[in-house]
Amino acid sequence: NAGVTQTPKFRVLKTGQSMTLLCAQDMNHEYMYWYRQDPGMGLRLIHYSVGEGTTAKGEVPDGYNVSRLKKQNFLLGLESAAPSQTSVYFCASSSPPSGNTIYFGEGSWLTVV
Amino acid sequence: AQTVTQSQPEMSVQEAETVTLSCTYDTSESDYYLFWYKQPPSRQMILVIRQEAYKQQNATENRFSVNFQKAAKSFSLKISDSQLGDAAMYFCAYSLWGGSEKLVFGKGTKLTVNP
Repeated sequence: NAGVTQTPKFRVLKTGQSMTLLCAQDMNHEYMYWYRQDPGMGLRLIHYSVGEGTTAKGEVPDGYNVSRLKKQNFLLGLESAAPSQTSVYFCASSSPPSGNTIYFGEGSWLTVV
Repeated sequence: AQTVTQSQPEMSVQEAETVTLSCTYDTSESDYYLFWYKQPPSRQMILVIRQEAYKQQNATENRFSVNFQKAAKSFSLKISDSQLGDAAMYFCAYSLWGGSEKLVFGKGTKLTVNP
């Protein structure tokens, strides 16, 4: 059972570099999400998608872009990484109706130096 | 905007004892869900328990139960017969009914279980 898989698990970037985090789910879920977790904080929503080809901004979208070209994949891009984007990133997925279990990936540790 | 507040950054409990973690939230909606998630050192997010706001009965899952007070906007988690494996960060979270499951999290409570 793969569930929600995030790639890569760890990455160190230099300020100004770009990168893409890949999230893949094999549960045929409609909804997918990207969260970030900073020290002393709970998870905060960056962007989310309610279906293939659709994306929307969450609570902290600045500095990130996303794409959902395939139902099973949700990509999070950092165009010009900044030290403030050092964080642990979590992908999650779920399906309607509301209240269903949300499945989380194991997290991706990103350090921007 | 909805907010979730966990006022206890850290809690500790003796093995086999009972502990209660507090959570309050703010929303103008009447239909929503509340959750408690456990995050062990591995960072995996594990759903502990879920409560539907329209249900008056408090949710229970084995040793875990909640005290849901809708009027007071309070949602506490009680862990009975605490075990060493319960040591983790615990996050309270809210999502709106009929929405796309967007979760709003509190800042978490670190639970230590002493042998």
